[in-house]
Amino acid sequence: NAGVTQTPKFQVLKTGQSMTLQCAQDMNHNSMYWYRQDPGMGLRLIYYSASEGTTDKGEVPNGYNVSRLNKREFSLRLESAAPSQTSVYFCASSDWAPTNEKLFFGSGTQLSVL
Amino acid sequence: GDSVTQMEGPVTLSEEAFLTINCTYTATGYPSLFWYVQYPGEGLQLLLKATKADDKGSNKGFEATYRKETTSFHLEKGSVQVSDSAVYFCALRNQGGKLIFGQGTELSVKP
Repeated sequence: NAGVTQTPKFQVLKTGQSMTLQCAQDMNHNSMYWYRQDPGMGLRLIYYSASEGTTDKGEVPNGYNVSRLNKREFSLRLESAAPSQTSVYFCASSDWAPTNEKLFFGSGTQLSVL
Repeated sequence: GDSVTQMEGPVTLSEEAFLTINCTYTATGYPSLFWYVQYPGEGLQLLLKATKADDKGSNKGFEATYRKETTSFHLEKGSVQVSDSAVYFCALRNQGGKLIFGQGTELSVKP
């Protein structure tokens, strides 16, 4: 049971380059999320998708776009990377069932923008 | 807006010491409260949760009690081990369904 799978694990970009972070879950969850983690700031929500076909902005959406490709996959795109986007990115999913009220996280993508 | 505040780290303890990591929250109504743990190089995973006032969540020797009167959800463990070294995040899920995290507290346990 793979859970939440993120690729790549590491990436180095130059300022202005673009890239897409991929995320897939095999738990049939409705909701999926993208967070960034920065020292001293905890996790901040970038975008989320409450269900297939919907996406909404979180706390820090500027500079990012997302696509909920299907129920399994939720990608995060940086169109023109900036050094301020150097961070660790986590994808998560949940169905928020009363008996299973939790987020399942991927192992993260460490992104450096030079 | 809704928020979660944790004690700043890093917290350094000797093995078998008592652990408390403070967490307080601001939210309307009755949010669900969580502690997540992040081991080095991994994603976060749920440690314990409580969904209503006076509930106690527990797992792996860790406990936290939902205190509505003090808006707190402090994490405790009676005897920490080296393997407990990790970053601990307090979080709440508000009435609108949004999950809000604290900034995390790094715990380092020395043998």
